Amino acid sequence: GAVVSQHPSRVICKSGTSVKIECRSLDFQATTMFWYRQFPKKSLMLMATSNEGSKATYEQGVEKDKFLINHASLTLSTLTVTSAHPEDSSFYICSASIRDRGLAFHNEQFFGPGTRLTVL
Amino acid sequence: DAKTTQPTSMDCAEGRAANLPCNHSTISGNEYVYWYRQIHSQGPQYIIHGLKNNETNEMASLIITEDRKSSTLILPHATLRDTAVYYCIVRRNYGGATNKLIFGTGTLLAVQP
Repeated sequence: GAVVSQHPSRVICKSGTSVKIECRSLDFQATTMFWYRQFPKKSLMLMATSNEGSKATYEQGVEKDKFLINHASLTLSTLTVTSAHPEDSSFYICSASIRDRGLAFHNEQFFGPGTRLTVL
Repeated sequence: DAKTTQPTSMDCAEGRAANLPCNHSTISGNEYVYWYRQIHSQGPQYIIHGLKNNETNEMASLIITEDRKSSTLILPHATLRDTAVYYCIVRRNYGGATNKLIFGTGTLLAVQP
């Protein structure tokens, strides 16, 4: 249980185009999902927190108009990188926090496998 | 959330116990200690967490000092597949957006054959 998937796993796009990445919780409901970015040999950097049915909360320095996040259901969140540029090339990872496993306050995050974005 | 300090890298012989230390001297009373690991080019994997008591699961053991200012993750019999970056994170546990994890640089554990 507690499986999170991401699609696509890899994407190559031209500069100026937009790319959408999907994050799904396959066997549980997630009221909260998180998006991270990771550059080579660096740690994960939290970009934003999204709650189902409400606007995402972005971390300082992350442009909300460039990284559009939609959390339309309890099992799906999407990240759209708009007008992508080569500096947006990175490993994007989502995670989901289980809504309720009968273990209040023990809200482990479960991570997707990541999406490798390359902008040419 | 409190910051953590971990060694940059460690080596461990296959089959031996791997002991990964973490300092969190500014941890507050309502903050938990979490451990995740990331194998190269994969998403992080939850390992274990605790508040003040030692914890054990099928993956590892977590030893937290009495003053809670440091902890040690123990992999009892390390295998080559345990080679990964291990992250120690402290955070409160109230649910929702407060669940966000702030990753430090972690410890690269290299298990040697």
